[in-house]
Amino acid sequence: GAVVSQHPSWVICKSGTSVKIECRSLDFQATTMFWYRQFPKQSLMLMATSNEGSKATYEQGVEKDKFLINHASLTLSTLTVTSAHPEDSSFYICSASQATGGDYGYTFGSGTRLTVV
Amino acid sequence: DAKTTQPPSMDCAEGRAANLPCNHSTISGNEYVYWYRQIHSQGPQYIIHGLKNNETNEMASLIITEDRKSSTLILPHATLRDTAVYYCIVRVGGGNAGNMLTFGGGTRLMVKP
Repeated sequence: GAVVSQHPSWVICKSGTSVKIECRSLDFQATTMFWYRQFPKQSLMLMATSNEGSKATYEQGVEKDKFLINHASLTLSTLTVTSAHPEDSSFYICSASQATGGDYGYTFGSGTRLTVV
Repeated sequence: DAKTTQPPSMDCAEGRAANLPCNHSTISGNEYVYWYRQIHSQGPQYIIHGLKNNETNEMASLIITEDRKSSTLILPHATLRDTAVYYCIVRVGGGNAGNMLTFGGGTRLMVKP
């Protein structure tokens, strides 16, 4: 089945530094990738949608200059949290969309737990 | 995409069937019903999806009412490893890979020994 590899699984960084999270589709080409954020005991909130070769579309309230998304190939998307602060500590999850027959399936990465100290 | 309503939590005895309901009364004709689950500190896992007909796979069965306004996910023999948050999501299907999944609150299923 489709697999999405997300790295790192967890990271601790100092306030003010930047962190990059990678999301790779291992056995399929992902035309679209999604980035979600999840705070403790809450549901997943969509941050942005990225299509290969074009700029990401950010959800309302998500700072595009703070959360840089790059989708340079059909198998790789990256999320960089710039100048991280403690309030950015969260669980970040990517999802890749692929075509499966007449519908589009979604495969999620295992998530990255970011702790900013 | 249509909004869904799920009970916030449910308990189920190990080995018994877990029936998780979902209301989606405003669903449109071209919207699919998806079910995902999220085990603690992991990414969501796809379970099953359907449009009109009931569906079954190795993980679960999906029963969609004739008017499509509600559905039930059935885990036939729940195990402790099925303890997770289960999300029912309705989304327009086919033709556009850019349609994202919008997560609601989900149902926290606790399978007890």
